[in-house]
Amino acid sequence: SAVISQKPSRDICQRGTSLTIQCQVDSQVTMMFWYRQQPGQSLTLIATANQGSEATYESGFVIDKFPISRPNLTFSTLTVSNLSPEDSSIYLCSVVRGNQETQYFGPGTRLLVL
Amino acid sequence: GDSVTQMEGPVTLSEEAFLTINCTYTATGYPSLFWYVQYPGEGLQLLLKATKADDKGSNKGFEATYRKETTSFHLEKGSVQVSDSAVYFCALEGGGTSYGKLTFGQGTILTVHP
Repeated sequence: SAVISQKPSRDICQRGTSLTIQCQVDSQVTMMFWYRQQPGQSLTLIATANQGSEATYESGFVIDKFPISRPNLTFSTLTVSNLSPEDSSIYLCSVVRGNQETQYFGPGTRLLVL
Repeated sequence: GDSVTQMEGPVTLSEEAFLTINCTYTATGYPSLFWYVQYPGEGLQLLLKATKADDKGSNKGFEATYRKETTSFHLEKGSVQVSDSAVYFCALEGGGTSYGKLTFGQGTILTVHP
């Protein structure tokens, strides 16, 4: 398994501001992802965080709104920019280690935008 | 694109009852299939998985069999406990260019009463 931590665990932000979420893994992983879980909804993949290069975004998500960094094999950040109440969600990072198919999830960051 | 459909919830059962949560999928190629569980106030955890047709995943008394002919991966447990109360998500990973990217069903809320 993998031990994954996220900071902050929760935050309340004003609209128009930005929030940066950190994801730290206890050891090197092959792949890192960012998901969003809107209230009462399922999880939706935002993007794949690529080490040393630009993230790969899924349909409906753009870099200007969700800039992502992954400077090394154990750390990534997701920024949610120009916040609006519709961005209120739980944001989760996940990792895949080596060639395993199992994906492990962080505890999530609960964001409320007022 | 890939999709996962779960039976609508919520599901309410008495302790020791039999549980089935239906899950069907649409995917190109040969996906891997997963059940994740989210206990109240906790993060998403892998419950079980199956990576090829006819495989049976099992964990904590839960089972699911990968049925390619019916494109299904139904979750079953013979005797549920109060501690099984949680949200259950069926998911698939498409492989190939979708390696590591999970597509989730909408989730099923299970409540087990004593």
